[in-house]
Formats: sequence, C-alpha cells, structure tokens
Amino acid sequence: DVKVTQSSRYLVKRTGEKVFLECVQDMDHENMFWYRQDPGLGLRLIYFSYDVKMKEKGDIPEGYSVSREKKERFSLILESASTNQTSMYLCASRKQGGMNTGELFFGEGSRLTVL
Amino acid sequence: GDSVTQMEGPVTLSEEAFLTINCTYTATGYPSLFWYVQYPGEGLQLLLKATKADDKGSNKGFEATYRKETTSFHLEKGSVQVSDSAVYFCALRGTGGFKTIFGAGTRLFVKA
Repeated sequence: DVKVTQSSRYLVKRTGEKVFLECVQDMDHENMFWYRQDPGLGLRLIYFSYDVKMKEKGDIPEGYSVSREKKERFSLILESASTNQTSMYLCASRKQGGMNTGELFFGEGSRLTVL
Repeated sequence: GDSVTQMEGPVTLSEEAFLTINCTYTATGYPSLFWYVQYPGEGLQLLLKATKADDKGSNKGFEATYRKETTSFHLEKGSVQVSDSAVYFCALRGTGGFKTIFGAGTRLFVKA
C-alpha cells in the first residue's frame, strides 16, 4: 500500500525553539508539498519541491524553510517557532507528468502546538 | 489567480438524506477538479476527480459533474451514512499549473 509518513503526529514546542517536521514517501514521486491546515482557511501551501534538491516557495513561506536531500524525504523547518505557527501540517506527494491524474497523496498530518 | 469557493459548514444531516456540497471555482483555461475527503484523525484522500468539461467523477456513491458554463463542481450523494461524516475539500489544479488550490472545507455530520 502506498504511503506518505509524517514523523510526528503531535508536537508541543516552546516559542523560539527550532522545529523539524519530516515526511517520507515510498511511491518514488518527484513532487512533494507542505501545507498547513487551519479552520476556515482550508489548506495553504507553504513550500513545494519539483524534485531532489529543488524547492519553491508556496503562498505562505514566511517563517519556514525546507530541505529535500533525497527523493523520498521532504523536511519542513521552523527556525524559531512562534505561537501563530500552531497548526496542522500536512505533507503530500505526487507523480510528475505522463498520464498521472494529478492526485495528491497525503500523510496523516502533524499537529503542532507552540506555547 | 485561481481560487475555489465552497459552501460553509457544518452540514448536519440524518442518515439516508440527500447531500449536496456546493463548489465553484475561478480559473483560466480548463483546470482539473477534485474532491478530497478527510476522515477524523486522518490526512486527506482523493474522493473523485474530473479533468474536462462535462466529465462526471464518481466514487463510493458520491458524484460531481464538471460544469464549465457555471464554473461549478458540486458534490452529491443520494443517501448518506454515518460513516460519511468527514470534512470535504473541493480543489483545482490549473491548466499547466503546478499547485493544487483548495477550498476552505465543509464539515459534514451524519446522525443515525
């Protein structure tokens, strides 16, 4: 069964801490994405990656960075966590090009609370 | 830019009731349209999709038809079950676009 795995389901951090959220997919997908989900706002794209070592800013990149050193792994980094980054973070992957439908495959999410 | 607007929830229905969740979009060209579902405690998963005008996507008793003339992709189900309780997201991927744009989500509660 295809899978996107996020390293932590629940995290509690303090303001100013550095936070790493990791995502691994086993489908050999080229494209990977980080979204945050907030009530009433739906999903907002933070960063995405076309392929290994490539990254692009999404719609709300401020306060975040990413790393994609291997094809299967896409990490989201909060350099100095703030309370307004308390949210649900969702990782997704997608096969690029060809006859694929454009379907995104999601992990179960990481709920981050910043105190 | 591209955008998706879907009806606000929550929507509360009794079992076996008819469901409609409205979704309209703004996009140039011919986007691909999707409905994703998020069950409690889980990530999103694709429910159905349509890639061109007049296509009907269907899955698990849910249907949605790509209406270019009204820029809509409304989700329907004839008879909902308690197990359909979830959050439903309408989404689009623009022509030649890379990003998938999501609506705000509609929470559905189905009572036994």
